[in-house]
This record gives sequence, structure tokens and C-alpha cells, in this order.
Amino acid sequence: ETGVTQSPTHLIKTRGQQVTLRCSSQSGHNTVSWYQQALGQGPQFIFQYYREEENGRGNFPPRFSGLQFPNYSSELNVNALELDDSALYLCASSLDGSYGYTFGSGTRLTVV
Amino acid sequence: RKEVEQDPGPFNVPEGATVAFNCTYSNSASQSFFWYRQDCRKEPKLLMSVYSSGNEDGRFTAQLNRASQYISLLIRDSKLSDSATYLCVGVPMNRDDKIIFGKGTRLHILP
Repeated sequence: ETGVTQSPTHLIKTRGQQVTLRCSSQSGHNTVSWYQQALGQGPQFIFQYYREEENGRGNFPPRFSGLQFPNYSSELNVNALELDDSALYLCASSLDGSYGYTFGSGTRLTVV
Repeated sequence: RKEVEQDPGPFNVPEGATVAFNCTYSNSASQSFFWYRQDCRKEPKLLMSVYSSGNEDGRFTAQLNRASQYISLLIRDSKLSDSATYLCVGVPMNRDDKIIFGKGTRLHILP
């Protein structure tokens, strides 16, 4: 059984650019949620996908968008990057949101 | 009031001692609760689910009190390897609601 994998592990982008982060969910999981974690803070919920549809969204602007594919892998897209977008982005998968979520090791995004 | 609140700590506890954390929540629609452990610059890892009846896993005991809207985590006979940040999270019953993590409680076990 493979766990949750995220790519890339690290990324440096310039303010105003766009970025796509990828997540492969754990085998058998149909739900993927994305989080932003700033240093010293808890993970902030961005949104969740269940069977390819977004359900549940946190307090993030529309320039944060995503997709879930038929194999339940997912992408997080961020447009018009701002310096404050610099953070660790975590993806977590679950079966129907039950029994907790398994996290990937995250993508550390730096916006300069 | 913040949706999920935790004492940020740090809790500095001698090895072998018992330590307890609480986490309060304001969203009564939260259905499921979990404790996660996060090591520095690593991803959160699921520690245990939390039930009203209480549940125990080795040295760890978790409890949910819905009437008072808090969850607790008790660590007995603490080990150096227990040093980490402990995050509580509420998962809503309604799939359209937000998943809310606390900011975490830092625990340092002292030799």
C-alpha cells in the first residue's frame, strides 16, 4: 500500500507567477484535502475533493483552485502568487473522510 | 472565539512524567476528532481518533467531551521521542464544512 505522495518537494517562484502542486492519494482513498501551513501555525484548510468534486472550502481566495482526477489524485493551482503564499502545502487523503487523514510530506513553496 | 483552540505551550516535561493537553472547539457540527503529531519540518501523522467513550493506545489516552466541547490527550510515562507538536482537528459531519486544525501544542520531554 503506497502512502500519499506530493510533488515537487520544494519550489521557488516569483511574485505574480502561477504554480501547480500535485498529490497522489493513498491507495483506496477517494477524498483529498489541501492545507497551507505557515511556520509555527497549524494547517489551514484550503479545500477538499470527494470523487472529483470540490466540497468544503476554507477562507482562501479564488486564485486557489484545484482538481481531482478519476484516479483520485489531485492538483492545487495558485495564480498570481503573493509573498504571503510562501508556506508548506500539505495534501491529505482519506476514505470518505472517515478514520482520519493521511498526509503527504508536503511541498515547500517560496515566493520571492 | 477561534474554532479550535490549543495552548501553544511549550510544555517542558521530565521524562517519565504524565502530561495532558486539552483542545476546545466551537463548531458543534464537528463530527469526528483526531489527534495528530507533527515533528519539526515534517508532515502531521495521525496519532489517534477521539471518541466520547474515550480510547487508549498504549501510553496515550484520548477523550471527547461533547457537552463541554473539548478533547483531551493524556500521555503517560513520557519518552524523549514524544517531543513534538500535537495538533487536534475537528472534521465536520457536513462534507461542505471546513476541516479545522488547532495551531498545535509543543511538547518537550526533558532527559
